Amino acid sequence: EAGVAQSPRYKIIEKRQSVAFWCNPISGHATLYWYQQILGQGPKLLIQFQNNGVVDDSQLPKDRFSAERLKGVDSTLKIQPAKLEDSAVYLCASSLEGGRAYGYTFGSGTRLTVV
Amino acid sequence: AQSVAQPEDQVNVAEGNPLTVKCTYSVSGNPYLFWYVQYPNRGLQFLLKYITGDNLVKGSYGFEAEFNKSQTSFHLKKPSALVSDSALYFCAVRDGGDYKLSFGAGTTVTVRA
Repeated sequence: EAGVAQSPRYKIIEKRQSVAFWCNPISGHATLYWYQQILGQGPKLLIQFQNNGVVDDSQLPKDRFSAERLKGVDSTLKIQPAKLEDSAVYLCASSLEGGRAYGYTFGSGTRLTVV
Repeated sequence: AQSVAQPEDQVNVAEGNPLTVKCTYSVSGNPYLFWYVQYPNRGLQFLLKYITGDNLVKGSYGFEAEFNKSQTSFHLKKPSALVSDSALYFCAVRDGGDYKLSFGAGTTVTVRA
């Protein structure tokens, strides 16, 4: 089966600019997650979708971050405006049935550098 | 709240020697435990999981992990390490009644030839 696809792989932007990341989950996976992985830290959940509805966005900085999952398939994560501390790898993952027993499948991530 | 601790930032072993990566967890309910590995510029790859059943879980690439409820630990082990096992390893936990997966800070494993 095809894996979780993410693009772009790398992005460098200046602070206060905007950026968007795209994720295509594994076919049939209803649950989609966006994680932020800052260098030297473990991934931190930003938002979870179940189909096209948001299940948890409690750790999403909503003043600058937004995410959507159109038609319950692809998802985009946007940052506007970006700050230096947003430099991180943004990982998308998907799972069956909320991943309770199966864990998640992660994409390769998008490495964002804000200068 | 659920949390994971990986007490060692780095583990260094010689090829052929046993490898252990430590993990302890805290959950209010029944723990679902996972190990992931991350190679440079790659996403996280699933290694193994414990949901229920035998305390010794076998996973990919010869790795195994032992669930110890009394010590709230889920250490990752490999009897004979390979240079290709050098990577960043993450332990993760979710409360059985919850969906959120919480990760530890990661342990960098270096296997020298």
